[in-house]
Amino acid sequence: DGGITQSPKYLFRKEGQNVTLSCEQNLNHDAMYWYRQDPGQGLRLIYYSQIVNDFQKGDIAEGYSVSREKKESFPLTVTSAQKNPTAFYLCASSLGFNSPLHFGNGTRLTVT
Amino acid sequence: AQSVTQLGSHVSVSEGALVLLRCNYSSSVPPYLFWYVQYPNQGLQLLLKYTSAATLVKGINGFEAEFKKSETSFHLTKPSAHMSDAAEYFCAVSDQSNTGNQFYFGTGTSLTVIP
Repeated sequence: DGGITQSPKYLFRKEGQNVTLSCEQNLNHDAMYWYRQDPGQGLRLIYYSQIVNDFQKGDIAEGYSVSREKKESFPLTVTSAQKNPTAFYLCASSLGFNSPLHFGNGTRLTVT
Repeated sequence: AQSVTQLGSHVSVSEGALVLLRCNYSSSVPPYLFWYVQYPNQGLQLLLKYTSAATLVKGINGFEAEFKKSETSFHLTKPSAHMSDAAEYFCAVSDQSNTGNQFYFGTGTSLTVIP
């Protein structure tokens, strides 16, 4: 079955450490997205990528970095510069113009 | 940029009652609109999408939404609520720019179904 795989489901880190969240899709979608979800705030866009080796900052990119070396993969690194990293992170992909987003099941990151 | 407003962050209905979740959008051009559902600790699942083919859109699990341009609304309804409908619901609009396709989400409505 085609879909988006995010791993791990739960992630715990100490403050000051960088951490990378994995996102892999086998839907052959060109576009991929990272969102952050906090209670009561909906989904906020961190980064998105329309094609391999190209990506754009979203509304809350500070403290995050991404890469898009392969069409299938769009990993997100949460750096120590991110002031409030504890959140639920969602990866999504889309076929293209005005096609819906398909979501992974998310990674819940807790930083203490 | 587009924006989406969902009125009511929490909605409670009795089992078997009508479900109505409100969504208003701002758009200067005909929008592409979506409703998603999210169960606890899971990703979002597409319920339905409006892409200008018809104003009344039917989705999965008995949900439907009506696009009303004059009211800039895209409210989600279901005639009879089921316990399994309890979840978080998000309205979204997509927008094409020179940097790609972006999606704008409302802040969500949490639906509680009372037995």
